[in-house]
Amino acid sequence: DTAVSQTPKYLVTQMGNDKSIKCEQNLGHDTMYWYKQDSKKFLKIMFSYNNKELIINETVPNRFSPKSPDKAHLNLHINSLELGDSAVYFCASSQDGQGREAFFGQGTRLTVV
Amino acid sequence: AQSVAQPEDQVNVAEGNPLTVKCTYSVSGNPYLFWYVQYPNRGLQFLLKYITGDNLVKGSYGFEAEFNKSQTSFHLKKPSALVSDSALYFCAVRDRGSQGNLIFGKGTKLSVKP
Repeated sequence: DTAVSQTPKYLVTQMGNDKSIKCEQNLGHDTMYWYKQDSKKFLKIMFSYNNKELIINETVPNRFSPKSPDKAHLNLHINSLELGDSAVYFCASSQDGQGREAFFGQGTRLTVV
Repeated sequence: AQSVAQPEDQVNVAEGNPLTVKCTYSVSGNPYLFWYVQYPNRGLQFLLKYITGDNLVKGSYGFEAEFNKSQTSFHLKKPSALVSDSALYFCAVRDRGSQGNLIFGKGTKLSVKP
């Protein structure tokens, strides 16, 4: 069983479109995250949710909107896609507690053309 | 603010030789430190972590890491490298604020040649 699963794995779309990436975890974790990995492989936190409540909202354009229908799901919706949004987006989850490691999905490679 | 530095963009090692991937950190208070590995076109896989206790932490695939408080370092090591260890390695520190997301270093590409 996949612990953290994201769909789709690849997403190619035109500028200006709206798209969503879905994430589900079956680990029973309370906290879920979205990370962005750019072309230089830098990883940066975008959002964090704890029990469906937004905890972290880093400096991300408001075209990006996370939605957590329940604590096992954290979806990412992106409006008006731009070329600069092309990246790999990773979903992750962890149990509460500072010493807990995060488990990552396989990533969604978004290409905006 | 918490931060992590990985001073090497790439480390090259011959198969069978020991490997070290360096990481230094800057935190306030006690650090929670992690190592992850990323294979091409894959997600990040957890290798090991330091929370407290023994400074030498053992993890997956024969990797270990040594926590050194005085040098604020958490270097990843393996006694004998395998070609299959070739990947991108990330050191991370847990952010103590805001529910504790992971703050990653820039990553170090490990290349193990036969």
